Amino acid sequence: EDQVTQSPEALRLQEGESSSLNCSYTVSGLRGLFWYRQDPGKGPEFLFTLYSAGEEKEKERLKATLTKKESFLHITAPKPEDSATYLCAVRTFGNQFYFGTGTSLTVIP
Amino acid sequence: GAGVSQTPSNKVTEKGKYVELRCDPISGHTALYWYRQSLGQGPEFLIYFQGTGAADDSGLPNDRFFAVRPEGSVSTLKIQRTERGDSAMYLCASSSPSGGDSSYNEQFFGPGTRLTVL
Repeated sequence: EDQVTQSPEALRLQEGESSSLNCSYTVSGLRGLFWYRQDPGKGPEFLFTLYSAGEEKEKERLKATLTKKESFLHITAPKPEDSATYLCAVRTFGNQFYFGTGTSLTVIP
Repeated sequence: GAGVSQTPSNKVTEKGKYVELRCDPISGHTALYWYRQSLGQGPEFLIYFQGTGAADDSGLPNDRFFAVRPEGSVSTLKIQRTERGDSAMYLCASSSPSGGDSSYNEQFFGPGTRLTVL
């Protein structure tokens, strides 16, 4: 069964305290793994796409990595404006998208 | 417009009523997806259109839910005989064709329609 699991469910960080969010997946055929940011009451905002194990992408304080079983979203020296829910999703060869339940990140000034 | 738009942004209805939710995708995007998101959960897939046809409607929970995309652009999600359990955020996303350059696979989401069934 295709499944996406994110951990932790919630994370509180002090401003400047780096950490990582995890997304583990089991799918029949991975066509892409996606990270999104979602602010309360809004639609998800696209961050990264990763296609193959070993791939890495960076954007400002965020860096996403991918292995054959999981992806990490590393947050370096976070700021309060990085507070949001971070969602991971996988796309299968059948063009289906499966989302995890997200990690709610709070960065305290 | 530049992004995906959804109307209305909020919809309050009474149990048993019929509702329509509209999605206007990014111009040129042939793939369109509908999702439902409950509080504290990730988006749950409902239906996927490639052009005018529903390529995958396996996520529709029951026959009260129906979606159309008659001209391959705007889509409408229709819910009959609404129930309190239908209350959620309904999200629409669009993406470019999946063939060729795989860098066009990402979905771009609209702001959602918050549906409340009283």
